[in-house]
Amino acid sequence: SQTIHQWPATLVQPVGSPLSLECTVEGTSNPNLYWYRQAAGRGLQLLFYSVGIGQISSEVPQNLSASRPQDRQFILSSKKLLLSDSGFYLCAWSAGLVGATQYFGPGTRLLVL
Amino acid sequence: GENVEQHPSTLSVQEGDSAVIKCTYSDSASNYFPWYKQELGKRPQLIIDIRSNVGEKKDQRIAVTLNKTAKHFSLHITETQPEDSAVYFCAPSTTGGGADGLTFGKGTHLIIQP
Repeated sequence: SQTIHQWPATLVQPVGSPLSLECTVEGTSNPNLYWYRQAAGRGLQLLFYSVGIGQISSEVPQNLSASRPQDRQFILSSKKLLLSDSGFYLCAWSAGLVGATQYFGPGTRLLVL
Repeated sequence: GENVEQHPSTLSVQEGDSAVIKCTYSDSASNYFPWYKQELGKRPQLIIDIRSNVGEKKDQRIAVTLNKTAKHFSLHITETQPEDSAVYFCAPSTTGGGADGLTFGKGTHLIIQP
């Protein structure tokens, strides 16, 4: 069966510091991968999605970036965090074509101070 | 891109009563209609979905109905229980489409009153 992991689970970072969040999927090949951000009590905002290694599409202009160095690994990064980057970051995967069922990871709660 | 609206934003019902949440969308090409449930502090999880060739789907106390002509679909929960308290999101999309179709509704906070 497929599983999706995210780490760290919780992170407290100062403004201006770098960020690296990691997501890995097991039990499937060539998944579509997604990064979402959820502000407290709010909906899900799609940040990036990837249909293959090295293929990243960005949905929202921001100071974040994403990379997919391996088939089942998706990384969210920032060189300098802003206060507004605080939130719950969720990685998700889907099989086959974009628009299919998405399965979410446990999320990373990021607090920027 | 897809314009998605969910109503109501908050719904409070007595335990045992039914709850209905509606999702309207703008892209007539949408052909996949899922509902996700997110409990406090946890990840969203798919609870039911429907494809555009079907009008209704049921799974025990949960059902989804689709009206493609009017471009809306609804989540129905019968005999509500305390564990149904959560935020529910719809996410209509087009299989094979681009990320324009990956739009989640803003969520409905369902509160089950004992």
